[in-house]
Amino acid sequence: DIQMTQSPPTLSASLGDRVTLTCRASQSIGTSLAWYQQKPGKVPTFVLYVTSHLQSGVPSKFSVSGSGTHFTLTIYSLQPDDFATYYCQQYHSYPWTFGQGTKVEIK
Amino acid sequence: QVQLQESGPGLVKPSGTLSLTCGVSGGSVKTNNWWSWVRQSPGQGLEWIGDVFHTGSSHYNPSLMSRLSISVDRSKNQFSLTLTSVTAADTAVYYCARDIGVGGVPHAVWGQGILVTVSS
Repeated sequence: DIQMTQSPPTLSASLGDRVTLTCRASQSIGTSLAWYQQKPGKVPTFVLYVTSHLQSGVPSKFSVSGSGTHFTLTIYSLQPDDFATYYCQQYHSYPWTFGQGTKVEIK
Repeated sequence: QVQLQESGPGLVKPSGTLSLTCGVSGGSVKTNNWWSWVRQSPGQGLEWIGDVFHTGSSHYNPSLMSRLSISVDRSKNQFSLTLTSVTAADTAVYYCARDIGVGGVPHAVWGQGILVTVSS
Protein backbone atom coordinates (compact mmCIF):
# COMPACT_ATOMS: atom_id res chain seq x y z
CA ASP A 1 0.00 0.00 0.00
CA ILE A 2 1.08 3.58 -0.60
CA GLN A 3 1.52 5.48 2.66
CA MET A 4 0.50 9.13 2.78
CA THR A 5 2.07 11.39 5.37
CA GLN A 6 0.78 14.87 6.11
CA SER A 7 2.56 17.63 7.98
CA PRO A 8 2.18 19.30 10.28
CA PRO A 9 -0.52 17.42 12.22
CA THR A 10 -1.78 20.74 13.53
CA LEU A 11 -1.21 24.20 12.16
CA SER A 12 -2.08 27.27 14.21
CA ALA A 13 -2.68 30.39 12.19
CA SER A 14 -4.44 33.73 12.28
CA LEU A 15 -7.14 35.21 10.10
CA GLY A 16 -5.62 36.53 6.90
CA ASP A 17 -2.55 34.28 7.07
CA ARG A 18 -1.31 32.22 4.16
CA VAL A 19 -0.68 28.62 5.13
CA THR A 20 0.86 25.66 3.36
CA LEU A 21 0.03 22.04 4.13
CA THR A 22 2.28 19.23 2.99
CA CYS A 23 1.48 15.70 1.86
CA ARG A 24 4.09 13.10 0.98
CA ALA A 25 3.62 9.73 -0.66
CA SER A 26 5.77 6.68 0.07
CA GLN A 27 6.19 6.15 -3.68
CA SER A 28 5.47 8.14 -6.80
CA ILE A 29 1.81 8.75 -7.50
CA GLY A 30 2.19 11.12 -10.42
CA THR A 31 -0.46 13.77 -9.92
CA SER A 32 -3.19 11.44 -8.64
CA LEU A 33 -3.79 13.33 -5.43
CA ALA A 34 -6.95 14.88 -4.01
CA TRP A 35 -7.56 17.15 -1.05
CA TYR A 36 -10.61 17.05 1.19
CA GLN A 37 -11.81 19.43 3.87
CA GLN A 38 -13.69 18.32 6.97
CA LYS A 39 -15.18 20.58 9.60
CA PRO A 40 -15.98 19.20 13.05
CA GLY A 41 -19.03 16.97 12.99
CA LYS A 42 -19.49 17.45 9.26
CA VAL A 43 -19.13 15.38 6.12
CA PRO A 44 -15.81 15.64 4.29
CA THR A 45 -15.95 17.64 1.07
CA PHE A 46 -13.74 17.40 -1.94
CA VAL A 47 -11.71 20.58 -2.36
CA LEU A 48 -9.45 20.14 -5.33
CA TYR A 49 -6.90 17.93 -7.00
CA VAL A 50 -3.42 18.34 -8.29
CA THR A 51 -4.20 19.33 -11.84
CA SER A 52 -5.42 22.49 -10.20
CA HIS A 53 -9.01 21.76 -11.02
CA LEU A 54 -11.14 23.37 -8.38
CA GLN A 55 -14.36 21.69 -7.43
CA SER A 56 -17.19 23.86 -8.54
CA GLY A 57 -17.82 26.62 -6.03
CA VAL A 58 -14.45 26.30 -4.33
CA PRO A 59 -12.73 29.67 -3.96
CA SER A 60 -9.54 30.29 -5.89
CA LYS A 61 -7.77 31.04 -2.64
CA PHE A 62 -6.89 27.36 -2.58
CA SER A 63 -4.04 26.17 -4.74
CA VAL A 64 -2.15 22.90 -5.04
CA SER A 65 1.18 21.90 -6.42
CA GLY A 66 3.45 18.94 -6.62
CA SER A 67 3.92 15.65 -8.38
CA GLY A 68 5.56 12.33 -7.65
CA THR A 69 5.86 12.13 -3.90
CA HIS A 70 5.64 15.71 -2.60
CA PHE A 71 2.53 17.84 -2.66
CA THR A 72 1.33 21.06 -1.06
CA LEU A 73 -1.98 22.76 -0.49
CA THR A 74 -1.85 26.51 0.04
CA ILE A 75 -4.66 28.55 1.47
CA TYR A 76 -4.35 32.26 0.91
CA SER A 77 -5.78 34.68 3.44
CA LEU A 78 -7.37 32.33 5.96
CA GLN A 79 -10.99 33.03 6.74
CA PRO A 80 -13.14 31.61 9.56
CA ASP A 81 -14.68 29.08 7.16
CA ASP A 82 -11.25 27.64 6.36
CA PHE A 83 -10.48 26.37 9.83
CA ALA A 84 -10.92 22.63 9.43
CA THR A 85 -9.03 19.39 8.99
CA TYR A 86 -7.59 18.73 5.55
CA TYR A 87 -6.90 15.25 4.22
CA CYS A 88 -4.91 14.25 1.17
CA GLN A 89 -5.66 11.02 -0.69
CA GLN A 90 -3.81 9.19 -3.42
CA TYR A 91 -5.74 7.48 -6.20
CA HIS A 92 -2.78 6.29 -8.22
CA SER A 93 -3.10 2.66 -7.20
CA TYR A 94 -5.45 0.59 -5.10
CA PRO A 95 -6.03 0.57 -2.21
CA TRP A 96 -6.68 4.31 -2.17
CA THR A 97 -5.09 5.77 0.96
CA PHE A 98 -5.55 8.94 2.98
CA GLY A 99 -3.09 10.95 4.97
CA GLN A 100 -3.81 11.31 8.66
CA GLY A 101 -4.93 14.91 8.24
CA THR A 102 -3.74 18.40 9.10
CA LYS A 103 -5.91 20.40 11.45
CA VAL A 104 -5.86 24.13 10.74
CA GLU A 105 -6.82 25.93 13.91
CA ILE A 106 -7.10 29.51 15.01
CA LYS A 107 -4.04 30.83 16.79
CA GLN B 1 -27.32 16.70 -8.85
CA VAL B 2 -26.78 13.19 -7.57
CA GLN B 3 -27.39 12.66 -3.87
CA LEU B 4 -26.41 9.74 -1.69
CA GLN B 5 -28.06 8.49 1.48
CA GLU B 6 -26.78 5.76 3.78
CA SER B 7 -29.18 3.53 5.66
CA GLY B 8 -28.92 0.58 8.01
CA PRO B 9 -28.72 -0.38 11.68
CA GLY B 10 -26.90 1.99 13.99
CA LEU B 11 -26.03 -0.78 16.43
CA VAL B 12 -24.47 -4.14 15.66
CA LYS B 13 -23.42 -6.81 18.13
CA PRO B 14 -19.83 -8.01 18.28
CA SER B 15 -19.19 -10.94 15.92
CA GLY B 16 -22.29 -9.91 13.99
CA THR B 17 -22.68 -8.57 10.47
CA LEU B 18 -22.79 -4.90 9.53
CA SER B 19 -24.96 -4.20 6.49
CA LEU B 20 -25.43 -0.77 4.99
CA THR B 21 -27.09 0.50 1.85
CA CYS B 22 -26.46 3.69 -0.08
CA GLY B 23 -29.44 4.97 -2.01
CA VAL B 24 -28.69 7.05 -5.09
CA SER B 25 -31.08 9.82 -6.13
CA GLY B 26 -30.87 12.43 -8.86
CA GLY B 27 -28.89 10.03 -11.02
CA SER B 28 -28.27 6.41 -11.87
CA VAL B 29 -25.76 3.88 -10.58
CA LYS B 30 -25.47 2.69 -14.19
CA THR B 31 -22.98 5.39 -15.10
CA ASN B 32 -19.22 5.42 -15.60
CA ASN B 33 -18.60 6.05 -11.94
CA TRP B 34 -17.13 4.12 -9.07
CA TRP B 35 -19.29 4.00 -5.95
CA SER B 36 -17.35 3.77 -2.73
CA TRP B 37 -17.43 3.42 1.04
CA VAL B 38 -15.25 5.35 3.47
CA ARG B 39 -15.31 5.17 7.24
CA GLN B 40 -14.09 7.29 10.11
CA SER B 41 -13.62 5.94 13.60
CA PRO B 42 -14.39 8.37 16.44
CA GLY B 43 -11.74 11.08 16.59
CA GLN B 44 -9.74 9.45 13.82
CA GLY B 45 -8.98 9.99 10.16
CA LEU B 46 -10.58 8.65 7.01
CA GLU B 47 -10.23 5.06 5.85
CA TRP B 48 -11.10 3.89 2.34
CA ILE B 49 -13.12 0.66 2.51
CA GLY B 50 -13.73 -0.22 -1.11
CA ASP B 51 -15.67 0.56 -4.25
CA VAL B 52 -17.91 -0.99 -6.89
CA PHE B 53 -18.83 -0.31 -10.52
CA HIS B 54 -22.31 -0.88 -11.86
CA THR B 55 -21.09 -4.03 -13.61
CA GLY B 56 -20.29 -5.49 -10.22
CA SER B 57 -16.55 -5.08 -10.49
CA SER B 58 -15.09 -4.07 -7.13
CA HIS B 59 -11.94 -3.27 -5.15
CA TYR B 60 -11.48 -3.81 -1.45
CA ASN B 61 -9.14 -2.55 1.23
CA PRO B 62 -6.82 -5.49 1.92
CA SER B 63 -7.15 -4.91 5.66
CA LEU B 64 -10.88 -5.69 5.41
CA MET B 65 -11.01 -7.97 2.39
CA SER B 66 -11.59 -11.21 4.26
CA ARG B 67 -14.75 -9.79 5.90
CA LEU B 68 -15.99 -7.41 3.25
CA SER B 69 -18.43 -7.47 0.37
CA ILE B 70 -19.62 -4.53 -1.72
CA SER B 71 -22.36 -4.97 -4.27
CA VAL B 72 -24.61 -2.93 -6.51
CA ASP B 73 -28.34 -3.31 -7.17
CA ARG B 74 -29.09 -1.59 -10.45
CA SER B 75 -32.83 -2.24 -10.20
CA LYS B 76 -33.02 -0.40 -6.89
CA ASN B 77 -30.42 2.21 -7.82
CA GLN B 78 -28.34 1.53 -4.76
CA PHE B 79 -25.17 -0.13 -3.59
CA SER B 80 -24.38 -1.95 -0.38
CA LEU B 81 -21.67 -2.86 2.07
CA THR B 82 -21.51 -6.00 4.17
CA LEU B 83 -18.87 -6.47 6.84
CA THR B 84 -18.84 -9.69 8.84
CA SER B 85 -17.37 -10.65 12.22
CA VAL B 86 -17.38 -7.08 13.46
CA THR B 87 -15.61 -5.89 16.58
CA ALA B 88 -15.51 -2.62 18.49
CA ALA B 89 -12.77 -1.51 16.09
CA ASP B 90 -15.42 -1.34 13.35
CA THR B 91 -17.34 1.34 15.23
CA ALA B 92 -17.29 4.34 12.92
CA VAL B 93 -19.21 6.77 10.79
CA TYR B 94 -19.65 5.09 7.42
CA TYR B 95 -19.90 7.28 4.34
CA CYS B 96 -20.87 6.31 0.84
CA ALA B 97 -19.45 8.35 -2.02
CA ARG B 98 -19.14 8.65 -5.76
CA ASP B 99 -16.13 9.55 -7.86
CA ILE B 100 -15.81 12.46 -10.25
CA GLY B 101 -15.49 10.07 -13.19
CA VAL B 102 -13.52 6.98 -14.02
CA GLY B 103 -9.87 7.58 -13.27
CA GLY B 104 -10.61 10.73 -11.34
CA VAL B 105 -11.02 11.81 -7.76
CA PRO B 106 -12.63 8.95 -5.83
CA HIS B 107 -14.98 10.86 -3.53
CA ALA B 108 -16.39 13.95 -5.20
CA VAL B 109 -19.90 13.39 -3.84
CA TRP B 110 -20.57 12.17 -0.31
CA GLY B 111 -23.53 10.90 1.63
CA GLN B 112 -24.31 12.32 5.05
CA GLY B 113 -22.78 9.38 6.86
CA ILE B 114 -24.22 6.90 9.33
CA LEU B 115 -22.79 6.10 12.73
CA VAL B 116 -22.52 2.40 13.37
CA THR B 117 -21.66 1.28 16.88
CA VAL B 118 -20.50 -2.25 17.60
CA SER B 119 -21.55 -3.13 21.10
CA SER B 120 -23.43 -5.78 23.02
